[in-house]
Amino acid sequence: SQQGEEDPQALSIQEGENATMNCSYKTSINNLQWYRQNSGRGLVHLILIRSNEREKHSGRLRVTLDTSKKSSSLLITASRAADTASYFCATDAYAGGFKTIFGAGTRLFVKA
Amino acid sequence: DTEVTQTPKHLVMGMTNKKSLKCEQHMGHRAMYWYKQKAKKPPELMFVYSYEKLSINESVPSRFSPECPNSSLLNLHLHALQPEDSALYLCASSLEQGDSYEQYFGPGTRLTVT
Repeated sequence: SQQGEEDPQALSIQEGENATMNCSYKTSINNLQWYRQNSGRGLVHLILIRSNEREKHSGRLRVTLDTSKKSSSLLITASRAADTASYFCATDAYAGGFKTIFGAGTRLFVKA
Repeated sequence: DTEVTQTPKHLVMGMTNKKSLKCEQHMGHRAMYWYKQKAKKPPELMFVYSYEKLSINESVPSRFSPECPNSSLLNLHLHALQPEDSALYLCASSLEQGDSYEQYFGPGTRLTVT
């Protein structure tokens, strides 16, 4: 079963606009990570936010975490066509060992 | 070197074939992972090796058999697969197992079972 659920499932915006993606999870977490995947390729790590952090920035990325609502958001500012990709949140659930579970993902399409 | 390599990039196999997927990293990472990803779905964890020992086996069918010959290599042996096993198979590694560590992914092997 999915630990994380993301919305929207797909997002289409114009270059220069901001893109916001949300992720919800079910169990307690230590950290939450965001990854990006270009079509049919491997995933690339974007940012990690710890459970005691509320907000984190990296370049044009801003991640927030609300542990009371078990949710996180990823904001990409001033989007570019090259940001077109799928974005996944990932958390670890403990089941005899820590296993990584990815959210359903948001497919972002940035039109030039 | 922050790269995870996977071979082959593409694989087409029949249901009676035996094949292997290979993954390699030289970052000194102690945890390595196999994921299966179907189209428009997130990656699903199959196996985790930590310090060359199988740490997590997600009740994957026995037609998938992982092997970790050393700390840099991870194989996935395939035998008697079904058409529904067609997917992108991703290998990843991290310094240690756990969500404090980012995972580095290879480009994947696109597997088609006929």
